Parts: sequence; structure tokens; C-alpha cells
Amino acid sequence: DARVTQTPRHKVTEMGQEVTMRCQPILGHNTVFWYRQTMMQGLELLAYFRNRAPLDDSGMPKDRFSAEMPDATLATLKIQPSEPRDSAVYFCASGSGGSSTEAFFGQGTRLTVV
Amino acid sequence: AQSVSQHNHHVILSEAASLELGCNYSYGGTVNLFWYVQYPGQHLQLLLKYFSGDPLVKGIKGFEAEFIKSKFSFNLRKPSVQWSDTAEYFCAVMGAGKLIFGQGTTLQVKP
Repeated sequence: DARVTQTPRHKVTEMGQEVTMRCQPILGHNTVFWYRQTMMQGLELLAYFRNRAPLDDSGMPKDRFSAEMPDATLATLKIQPSEPRDSAVYFCASGSGGSSTEAFFGQGTRLTVV
Repeated sequence: AQSVSQHNHHVILSEAASLELGCNYSYGGTVNLFWYVQYPGQHLQLLLKYFSGDPLVKGIKGFEAEFIKSKFSFNLRKPSVQWSDTAEYFCAVMGAGKLIFGQGTTLQVKP
């Protein structure tokens, strides 16, 4: 059963620490999305990639967030330094690209910054 | 840039009541439209999608949605809700490969 895998599922860290979240897209999918979900803002698109190239990261705070795809099987989202306002659930989704595609979501990483 | 607006933030229904959740989008080009559901503590799952063709699309669990191009709308419907439909529902639009979600509607179904 193909699925998007995110690690870790839960992360508690202290303010100022670096946080790295990982996502393994479904094999063969060439599009990866990163979202942040909070009660106040809902689902915000942070960044998305196609064929490992970043297409849009305008939703991401540039000073502390970075997103990369070191290879086709791994996407990472880093926060350095982390702040309490970064506490949220971060979802990764992947899709096969093209004009008719849906996104498949991972289980999310619940981040708490204290 | 595209945007999505969901009219209802919180809906409370009794079992067997009919459901309609509103969704309007803004985008100048060809769009693909989706409804996703998120059960408490879980990830988003696809309910249904519209790419082209018949504007009335049927999804899983008895849900359907109608794409009305002139109104830029893609409302979700279900004739008779069940307690197990309690969840958050998200409308989404994909334009030029970018997938944007609405704010979500929390549906609470009372037994």
C-alpha cells in the first residue's frame, strides 16, 4: 500500500533549537508539497517541488525555514532557530504531477516548541 | 494567484440531515478541484475530485460535489449524514500545479 511517510510523528523541542522534518513521497511521484496546519491559519502551503526543484516557497518564512529535496525519495523541512509560534502540524503530500493529479498526504509531524 | 473560500466554518447537524458545504475559488485558468476530509487526529484523505467532464462528481462515502463554472463554485453535498461523518472538510483548488486549501469546515453530526 503506497503511502507518504513522515518522520518524526511528534517532536518537542526547545526554542532556538534546529528542527528537521522528513518526508518520503510515494515512489514515482514527482511533486511534493509542504503544508503547515494551525487552528488559526488552517492549511498553509509553505513550499512545493517538482522533479526535486523548488517551484514556489513564497509561503515559507525565509529567515528560519528551508526546504530541500536531496533526492527523489526524500524531502526535508528545516527550521533554525525554532520559535514557539512554529508549533503546528506539518504535512507533506506528494503527487504524480501533470494536469490531472491529486495529492496524497502523510500522517504529519506534530511540532511543539517550548 | 488562486484562492479558496469556504463559507461555513462550523456546521452542526443531526443524523440523517442533508449536508451542503459551500466552496468558491478564484483562479484565471484551468483548475482541478478537490474535497478532502480530515478525521480527528488523522491526515487528509481525498473525498472526491473534479478534473474535467461531468460537473457532478461522486466520491466516497456517499458524497458528491457539483462544479458550477459560472459561479466559481464546487459545493459538497450528502443527502443523509451519519455520526461517522464528523470531521473537518477542506475544499482545494489546483492551478498550474499549485494546490491551495480553504480554511476548512468542521462538521459535527449529533447522533
